[in-house]
Amino acid sequence: EAQVTQNPRYLITVTGKKLTVTCSQNMNHEYMSWYRQDPGLGLRQIYYSMNVEVTDKGDVPEGYKVSRKEKRNFPLILESPSPNQTSLYFCASRGLAGAVETQYFGPGTRLLVL
Amino acid sequence: AQKVTQAQTEISVVEKEDVTLDCVYETRDTTYYLFWYKQPPSGELVFLIRRNSFDEQNEISGRYSWNFQKSTSSFNFTITASQVVDSAVYFCALNRYSGAGSYQLTFGKGTKLSVIP
Repeated sequence: EAQVTQNPRYLITVTGKKLTVTCSQNMNHEYMSWYRQDPGLGLRQIYYSMNVEVTDKGDVPEGYKVSRKEKRNFPLILESPSPNQTSLYFCASRGLAGAVETQYFGPGTRLLVL
Repeated sequence: AQKVTQAQTEISVVEKEDVTLDCVYETRDTTYYLFWYKQPPSGELVFLIRRNSFDEQNEISGRYSWNFQKSTSSFNFTITASQVVDSAVYFCALNRYSGAGSYQLTFGKGTKLSVIP
């Protein structure tokens, strides 16, 4: 089954404690991205990657890092989390579903930074 | 810069009524893609439709239909005979294609639809 997986699904942490949210896709897609969703703001793109070792900033990259060492994985790293990074995070990968290019989203990670 | 506006923050309808969700976009690009996603209360994002800027044909999929009007930069979504299971937040999104394989997906802020039994 084609899917994007994220772990953990829920995380409570404290300010300054480094954390990583993993993202993996099994569809051999080249393009992957991270979004955060906040009430009243919709989804905003944090970072994206067009292929292995190729990443670029989205709309709200401050406070985040990413890496793309393998095609299937695209982890999101918060080196020193702050309360304003409390949010719902989605990983996504893009590829063909039949003849239509589609963006597949992971199930989301709810992060609370105290 | 590109922008997607979903002016309706929340809509409530009674079951079996038709409802239209509005989406207006801004872009300077001549080639772009538009999407609709559904986010039910469980939180996942479900892809509904993708439309490219060259294709202005309206599309119907069961109770769902989409009206793409390039002249007014709108990509509206209509649910016919709404059902309680349609209750969700719906997002319109714009994907700008750069031709070099890179793009940025910009979402509207979403419209929360509540279908009352």
